[in-house]
Amino acid sequence: DARVTQTPRDKVTEMGQEVTMRCQPILGHNTVFWYRQTMMQGLELLAYFRNRAPLDDSGMPKDRFSAEMPDATLATLKIQPSEPRDSAVYFCASGTVAGGYNEQFFGPGTRLTVL
Amino acid sequence: SQQGEEDPQALSIQEGENATMNCSYKTSINNLQWYRQNSGRGLVHLILIRSNEREKHSGRLRVTLDTSKKSSSLLITASRAADTASYFCATQQGAQKLVFGQGTRLTINP
Repeated sequence: DARVTQTPRDKVTEMGQEVTMRCQPILGHNTVFWYRQTMMQGLELLAYFRNRAPLDDSGMPKDRFSAEMPDATLATLKIQPSEPRDSAVYFCASGTVAGGYNEQFFGPGTRLTVL
Repeated sequence: SQQGEEDPQALSIQEGENATMNCSYKTSINNLQWYRQNSGRGLVHLILIRSNEREKHSGRLRVTLDTSKKSSSLLITASRAADTASYFCATQQGAQKLVFGQGTRLTINP
């Protein structure tokens, strides 16, 4: 049963610390998305990759956030330095674009709390 | 900003009743998708309807799409307690990203 995995599942850290979240997409999927979900803003797209190349990171605060895909089995989202307003659940999703249509498979999320 | 707007924001019904959720959007789309999110979990894809389709069924789910009104509805028939979740519509404009709405929180009371 193929699924997207994310680590860690929960992270509590103090303001100013670096946070790294990891995602393993489903094998064979060539598109990876990072989302952030909060009660106030809902689900926001931060960045996405196609074949490991970043296609759009316009939703991401560039001064502190960075997203990379070092290889096809790993995507990372890094926050440095973290701030309390970054507290949210961060989801990774992967998919393929077949015939122009894009179904996404979501991971379980990383719940980040910045104190 | 979110393209899809779900209505209602919250819905509470009795088990066995039908639940209807609506989604409106602003721009032309390639397709519209519905996802479910159980508390504390990731989103799960339910159904995709293409812009040239008007209605689609999957089990107890029925989705309609009216591109002239830029709206879609999701009907869950014979609801069960396990259907309690948040439901999101997502629109795809190109071949790339989805834009999600704020969701409808559905509660099925036993």
